[in-house]
Amino acid sequence: KAGVTQTPRYLIKTRGQQVTLSCSPISGHRSVSWYQQTPGQGLQFLFEYFSETQRNKGNFPGRFSGRQFSNSRSEMNVSTLELGDSALYLCASSLGGSTYNEQFFGPGTRLTVL
Amino acid sequence: AQSVTQLDSQVPVFEEAPVELRCNYSSSVSVYLFWYVQYPNQGLQLLLKYLSGSTLVKGINGFEAEFNKSQTSFHLRKPSVHISDTAEYFCAVSDTGTASKLTFGTGTRLQVTL
Repeated sequence: KAGVTQTPRYLIKTRGQQVTLSCSPISGHRSVSWYQQTPGQGLQFLFEYFSETQRNKGNFPGRFSGRQFSNSRSEMNVSTLELGDSALYLCASSLGGSTYNEQFFGPGTRLTVL
Repeated sequence: AQSVTQLDSQVPVFEEAPVELRCNYSSSVSVYLFWYVQYPNQGLQLLLKYLSGSTLVKGINGFEAEFNKSQTSFHLRKPSVHISDTAEYFCAVSDTGTASKLTFGTGTRLQVTL
């Protein structure tokens, strides 16, 4: 079974631009969560999508948004990029039911904002 | 809200020696507890988890952890480490109602040398 895939793996943008990152979950998984990893703030939860609906949200500004498609693939968008948005963005997928289901992480997209 | 404290940012250890990585958490509700490992340029891999039941949990690669509710701790142990265990280790917590929303500690860098 293929794992979680994230594209692109590396991205360089300049301040003020916007960016879209993609995450393809494991087949059959309906939940996708996104995390930001930076040296200063560590790993922080951005949001979770389940069956095309945002189910949970972290404490990030509205510049960070996401969506999920009917095939469970998810995208996250960051508008008006700031230098502090440079980070490794990880997504994780799970079956997403009401009980605990293990989250499987992708390799991440490393975003550099210049 | 939950929080996780990993007091040791780095732990150097010789190969075949035992190791303990410390994790303390804070939460006002029932929690699930996790340890993840991250190798360079990779995503996170689940080592082990505590959901309920026995307080001693065993994971992959010979790791184990003990949940101590009175001390709000979930320390990770391995009786004999290998060079390949060199990596970043993250302790994480979620409340039982939103298991997909993980709160991570700042990580402990385990450096195994000959």
